[in-house]
Amino acid sequence: DAGITQSPRHKVTETGTPVTLRCHQTENHRYMYWYRQDPGHGLRLIHYSYGVKDTDKGEVSDGYSVSRSKTEDFLLTLESATSSQTSVYFCAIGGTGLEQYFGPGTRLTVT
Amino acid sequence: QKEVEQDPGPLSVPEGAIVSLNCTYSNSAFQYFMWYRQYSRKGPELLMYTYSSGNKEDGRFTAQVDKSSKYISLFIRDSQPSDSATYLCASTSNQFYFGTGTSLTVIP
Repeated sequence: DAGITQSPRHKVTETGTPVTLRCHQTENHRYMYWYRQDPGHGLRLIHYSYGVKDTDKGEVSDGYSVSRSKTEDFLLTLESATSSQTSVYFCAIGGTGLEQYFGPGTRLTVT
Repeated sequence: QKEVEQDPGPLSVPEGAIVSLNCTYSNSAFQYFMWYRQYSRKGPELLMYTYSSGNKEDGRFTAQVDKSSKYISLFIRDSQPSDSATYLCASTSNQFYFGTGTSLTVIP
């Protein structure tokens, strides 16, 4: 998976609790992305980062925040998880070209 | 209306068949078009990308873009059981937009 790890790989949490997902890369790529994948909706961009402390919103950013304090780490936080945030979350990395390399995914269930 | 629309299938073909996967898009500003393959419970992997209109071939795979009709296609020749996966089309302007994916099964 091109030097990308995601943690945790699986998580079950209760509505209203905060959750943080971590993406770690060893490729030194500038761009990092968080997507969610849901049946009938496909992959949708949540947030992305184009450098340390530089982030921007994607298509479905409401209810999510991100932080990137180091090149290799990109954190996705759900401040107060809701059942609608049950999904599979993918991190991706990329350079200045079009190629994105995806991580193995995190399955999050909010009960 | 989604930026990129894709028929979810599922599509089932015999080994050796030619497979045609299709998407449409709505944003005239899209210039780059990508195809990803995703195996079950794995992250997507980039198969190939094309710029603007025309064809691009890579082994058994051919990507085709028709900007006049906003139509994106991926053709797989001599399909193999190992091609069984979900195929995602995508495009980008200032960010990436993906189709919902088409599930393909190639039967030996």
